[in-house]
Amino acid sequence: DVKVTQSSRYLVKRTGEKVFLECVQDMDHENMFWYRQDPGLGLRLIYFSYDVKMKEKGDIPEGYSVSREKKERFSLILESASTNQTSMYLCASSPGGPFGYTFGSGTRLTVV
Amino acid sequence: DQQVKQNSPSLSVQEGRISILNCDYTNSMFDYFLWYKKYPAEGPTFLISISSIKDKNEDGRFTVFLNKSAKHLSLHIVPSQPGDSAVYFCAASIWIQGAQKLVFGQGTRLTINP
Repeated sequence: DVKVTQSSRYLVKRTGEKVFLECVQDMDHENMFWYRQDPGLGLRLIYFSYDVKMKEKGDIPEGYSVSREKKERFSLILESASTNQTSMYLCASSPGGPFGYTFGSGTRLTVV
Repeated sequence: DQQVKQNSPSLSVQEGRISILNCDYTNSMFDYFLWYKKYPAEGPTFLISISSIKDKNEDGRFTVFLNKSAKHLSLHIVPSQPGDSAVYFCAASIWIQGAQKLVFGQGTRLTINP
């Protein structure tokens, strides 16, 4: 069964900490995405990558960065966590095109 | 600037009846529209899609209708079952910055009552 695995289901971090959210896919997909889900706002795209070492800003990149050193792994980095980054973070991968998106189960991050 | 909007945060329907979920969009460059279903503690899963050149697509109990002139689409579930209780996201696809991206709506929480 194909999978997108997010390393943590729940995380609690302190304001100002550097936070790493890890995502690994086993489908050899070219594209990977990071979204955050907030009530009333739906899923908003933070960053995406369509190739190794490539990255593009999504709709809300401020306060975040990403790393894709290997095809299967896409990391989201919160350089200095703030309380307004408390959210559910969802990673997805796709082979390209609008179909075949596979999402991970999400990481619920709380910044205190 | 919400390009894809689901104006109903929640919907409650009796088991066996029809559920209708609505979605509006603003960007005429979207080429596909998709519906995703999300259970708590799980990632969204693909449900059904429609090309921007079609006006209807059907898959079992699920039918999606597209009205391009109104920039409106809807998902019909007939008959509704308790397992359909979930959050439904409307998404629109657009080619930008070298990749096909999905833009999601706010979601509608559907509750099917026995």
